[in-house]
Amino acid sequence: SAVISQKPSRDICQRGTSLTIQCQVDSQVTMMFWYRQQPGQSLTLIATANQGSEATYESGFVIDKFPISRPNLTFSTLTVSNMSPEDSSIYLCSVFQGAGGYTFGSGTRLTVV
Amino acid sequence: AQKVTQAQTEISVVEKEDVTLDCVYETRDTTYYLFWYKQPPSGELVFLIRRNSFDEQNEISGRYSWNFQKSTSSFNFTITASQVVDSAVYFCALSGSARQLTFGSGTQLTVLP
Repeated sequence: SAVISQKPSRDICQRGTSLTIQCQVDSQVTMMFWYRQQPGQSLTLIATANQGSEATYESGFVIDKFPISRPNLTFSTLTVSNMSPEDSSIYLCSVFQGAGGYTFGSGTRLTVV
Repeated sequence: AQKVTQAQTEISVVEKEDVTLDCVYETRDTTYYLFWYKQPPSGELVFLIRRNSFDEQNEISGRYSWNFQKSTSSFNFTITASQVVDSAVYFCALSGSARQLTFGSGTQLTVLP
């Protein structure tokens, strides 16, 4: 299965700033996803990152707040913009590898102060 | 739309007890996949099992077993002879034709020594 390198693993950021999270996959994958896990909560899908086109966002998530790039089939970034303490969460990327299989990055633990 | 329900928010057992985590799902897809993931305190997601909708055979892997019943839309997970290291949050998840994973709210399992 694919191996995902997700960076940074954690960060503490000031409110009003932005953080970009990177996911690098060791093989080409068509579908990549970004999830948010707020403290004590389940994982919620933010968007599907599409190679060569705009990401597809889920209800409640907007491009201005969570811009996503997918320049090729092995890399994607998620930016959390104009952060507030409510953005403190774990952010995870995931790839779909066919036959129902998914691989997750190790997550980025974000704290906004 | 698809939905996964984990009605048990928290379960506490004493070591060596058996414990069953419940999962009920809803989907309109005829082909879908069901998953269980473990999330220890460190935060990473650990894949436990994937089951497709056409395979209703129960599965056993060591102390873990899974009971998939399409008739009741359930995919329950049993840990036999629980151990302290089993303490974690367990998520049930579903993926259908859209390839997006929908997670349940999770069950916090605490195994006491």
